[in-house]
Amino acid sequence: AQKITQTQPGMFVQEKEAVTLDCTYDTSDPSYGLFWYKQPSSGEMIFLIYQGSYDQQNATEGRYSLNFQKARKSANLVISASQLGDSAMYFCAMRFDNTDKLIFGTGTRLQVFP
Amino acid sequence: DVKVTQSSRYLVKRTGEKVFLECVQDMDHENMFWYRQDPGLGLRLIYFSYDVKMKEKGDIPEGYSVSREKKERFSLILESASTNQTSMYLCASSLRGVVYGYTFGSGTRLTVV
Repeated sequence: AQKITQTQPGMFVQEKEAVTLDCTYDTSDPSYGLFWYKQPSSGEMIFLIYQGSYDQQNATEGRYSLNFQKARKSANLVISASQLGDSAMYFCAMRFDNTDKLIFGTGTRLQVFP
Repeated sequence: DVKVTQSSRYLVKRTGEKVFLECVQDMDHENMFWYRQDPGLGLRLIYFSYDVKMKEKGDIPEGYSVSREKKERFSLILESASTNQTSMYLCASSLRGVVYGYTFGSGTRLTVV
């Protein structure tokens, strides 16, 4: 079965510190894409970062990086130098070569405090 | 600026009403999707469409139908709204292919009373 698991319902981090949001997945398909989205309280889903299953290097986008450990089937999001504006829900998602559907985890609520 | 537009941000409807949620994208994307989002359950796929007039059921299609008469527009229909359909509804579109993520609309928060 194809599944995404985010085990942290909520996380707290102090401003300027780094934080890691966990994501594990389950699939037997060799080709897939992993995505992270941010959802502020306003509700829109904002794309953050993408990692392909065949990519050799971890993806980075500014302060966001993806710690991809294929053998462990994990794709953790690392946010460096947290900002107050990073407070939001974060969703991990996975997409497969044989389907156009994106499967989402249940999300992690991150709160950044001063 | 490319985008996905959902017609209503907030909607309140009565039980038994027929409800239409509209979604329009301007990116010429083949795929369009409707999700509902509930606390603790994440996003669950209701229906998706990979071409005009084509549709496929997602994980929770019961109580919903969809229409895609034009490439840019994908409508979600609640035939007879019920209180358990109170939720946040998110529309998204994408190109085909595993490397492409989705572009989402800003969501419609539907309350059925």
